[in-house]
Amino acid sequence: DAGITQSPRHKVTETGTPVTLRCHQTENHRYMYWYRQDPGHGLRLIHYSYGVKDTDKGEVSDGYSVSRSKTEDFLLTLESATSSQTSVYFCAISESLAVEAFFGQGTRLTVV
Amino acid sequence: AQKITQTQPGMFVQEKEAVTLDCTYDTSDPSYGLFWYKQPSSGEMIFLIYQGSYDQQNATEGRYSLNFQKARKSANLVISASQLGDSAMYFCAMRGPLSGNTPLVFGKGTRLSVIA
Repeated sequence: DAGITQSPRHKVTETGTPVTLRCHQTENHRYMYWYRQDPGHGLRLIHYSYGVKDTDKGEVSDGYSVSRSKTEDFLLTLESATSSQTSVYFCAISESLAVEAFFGQGTRLTVV
Repeated sequence: AQKITQTQPGMFVQEKEAVTLDCTYDTSDPSYGLFWYKQPSSGEMIFLIYQGSYDQQNATEGRYSLNFQKARKSANLVISASQLGDSAMYFCAMRGPLSGNTPLVFGKGTRLSVIA
């Protein structure tokens, strides 16, 4: 199995508080992705990275920021959490564009 | 922009029968990759099969095959001899062009239920 770990696995937070989710990989893969999964919407891309300090926005990036200061870590920050950001968040990694992406176990975030 | 469409929110299939899950995509790039993932009720995402746009033959992996029809822009997943353990959500995904830093984009998924 690909070495990819998401933390925390579960989190409950209050509206308006900042939240950071961490994705850590031990595979030295170049590409890293953050998705959110909601019923009826499948997986929607939030942000992705194609190298250290190289990131780009996805389909649903509003309200989220990311940072990648090291190859192995990709952080997703909700600057001021809202109830609409209650979701399951998945991190994924891939070595190149023509191969599959491996997924973390997901983080269930609840904003109350 | 890339777009993936899965038109079947839910499907039922009898155990041991074959089932086809539909996926159509939209891209103007000649170089792209198509992927299928399975998500069981436990929540993990499991990679099933990959098809490159320049691959001459349809991809196969065990009981999974990808019916790739380039002119129709479809990449349907065929599962042969369905098993109860195949009950899950199935997602089609695409990445392209393969020459740029393009992300992996997913469809909304199809929930497959296998009936004994």
